[in-house]
Amino acid sequence: GQQLNQSPQSMFIQEGEDVSMNCTSSSIFNTWLWYKQDPGEGPVLLIALYKAGELTSNGRLTAQFGITRKDSFLNISASIPSDVGIYFCAAYSGAGSYQLTFGKGTKLSVIP
Amino acid sequence: DADVTQTPRNRITKTGKRIMLECSQTKGHDRMYWYRQDPGLGLRLIYYSFDVKDINKGEISDGYSVSRQAQAKFSLSLESAIPNQTALYFCATSDSGLPRGPQHFGDGTRLSIL
Repeated sequence: GQQLNQSPQSMFIQEGEDVSMNCTSSSIFNTWLWYKQDPGEGPVLLIALYKAGELTSNGRLTAQFGITRKDSFLNISASIPSDVGIYFCAAYSGAGSYQLTFGKGTKLSVIP
Repeated sequence: DADVTQTPRNRITKTGKRIMLECSQTKGHDRMYWYRQDPGLGLRLIYYSFDVKDINKGEISDGYSVSRQAQAKFSLSLESAIPNQTALYFCATSDSGLPRGPQHFGDGTRLSIL
């Protein structure tokens, strides 16, 4: 089946540093979504990408839909302690797709 | 108030018991989903529903059943719980008017089966 390879699995960064994480696949996807999950809560949508090459920002977050439609990345600039959590990529394939495929998550820790 | 509400938030039960997890939503979405989350495995789809009485199996439906009796409610049942069903369960909704639209998640039910 289709898989999303998300990396890194975990990362420790200093407050103020920039962060980059990505998702890759051998399959083509038509929509990429990035979610953040805080402890004890459900995933919350951060950014949605609908076109290959699309670059979208949400505050300090920037995500891009890869040209090949097989990858996406998420950048966080000037990290702060509340950025701590698990970040998931997710993607839909096909025009009539209704099932989201999820990456396994990147656990981010920010050292004050 | 949360748009997607799951009850209970936590449940501990014994092997062999029947368990029902409830999900209700105020978003007016017609599509609803049940996922399971295990550490290091991301989210896996159990069942999904596109409308009242519409039920579809997901990736890992064995051992589970669902019911969609109203647009706003989608319940997940474990007929005879087993320990490897211990996990975090999430309900999600999406709008069919927005194809490939984002799914919106509840805060989860932490289920432990002894």
